[in-house]
Amino acid sequence: QKEVEQDPGPLSVPEGAIVSLNCTYSNSAFQYFMWYRQYSRKGPELLMYTYSSGNKEDGRFTAQVDKSSKYISLFIRDSQPSDSATYLCAMSDVGGATNKLIFGTGTLLAVQP
Amino acid sequence: NAGVTQTPKFQVLKTGQSMTLQCAQDMNHNSMYWYRQDPGMGLRLIYYSASEGTTDKGEVPNGYNVSRLNKREFSLRLESAAPSQTSVYFCASSRAAGSGANVLTFGAGSRLTVL
Repeated sequence: QKEVEQDPGPLSVPEGAIVSLNCTYSNSAFQYFMWYRQYSRKGPELLMYTYSSGNKEDGRFTAQVDKSSKYISLFIRDSQPSDSATYLCAMSDVGGATNKLIFGTGTLLAVQP
Repeated sequence: NAGVTQTPKFQVLKTGQSMTLQCAQDMNHNSMYWYRQDPGMGLRLIYYSASEGTTDKGEVPNGYNVSRLNKREFSLRLESAAPSQTSVYFCASSRAAGSGANVLTFGAGSRLTVL
C-alpha cells in the first residue's frame, strides 16, 4: 500500500462547476499537507498548504484536512478552463529541509468551456 | 527572477552513456532536491541537499550521483544510463532551515530518454 493514494482521474467538468480533489494517506504522523498544480510539460507549483487539521481558503480554492479519517481535499469553486492541470497532493510528518515530502500520483483535471 | 533553472530540457542517450543534469536557483534557498516523475508513480525523491556541503539519498538513489557545487547549483549525474532511467527529472529548492512547511519551488523539468 502506498503511503499516499490519489485517484489519477482524468476528471472532466464543465466550466463553473465545483471540483473536489482528494487524497488519502496511511501515516498518522503526517502534519503538513500541500497541494501543487502542474500544467502540461511544466514543473509543479505550490497552490496552498495547511498544517495539521482544518480548512484553509485562498480565493476559489479551499483545502481541507481530516486527520481522523486520514483524508485531505482540495475544492475549486467556479472552475475555469485555466484550472485544467494535474493536481498533486503532498505531505510530510515534520517540517524542515531534511524531511521529505511524499507526493500522490496526481489527478488530471479538465475543465470544459 | 528565473527561480529554478534546469538544463538540458531534453536529452536522448544510449544505454551505457553518461550525462549530467544541471540545476541552478537564484532565490538564495538553502536546500535543493532532485525528483523523477513517472506515469503512475508520482514524484519520487532521488537525492537532496539540505544545505551547502551536504547531500543525502532519497527514495530512489541507485544509478545516480549528485554534487552540490555551491549554494546555487546542484547537479545530477547518470554514470551509465539504463532504459529504466527514462523519465522526467525535476530539480527543486526550498528555503527550509529548521521547522515549518518545506515549500518547494520546482524547475521546468528535463525529459530524458535512454534507448
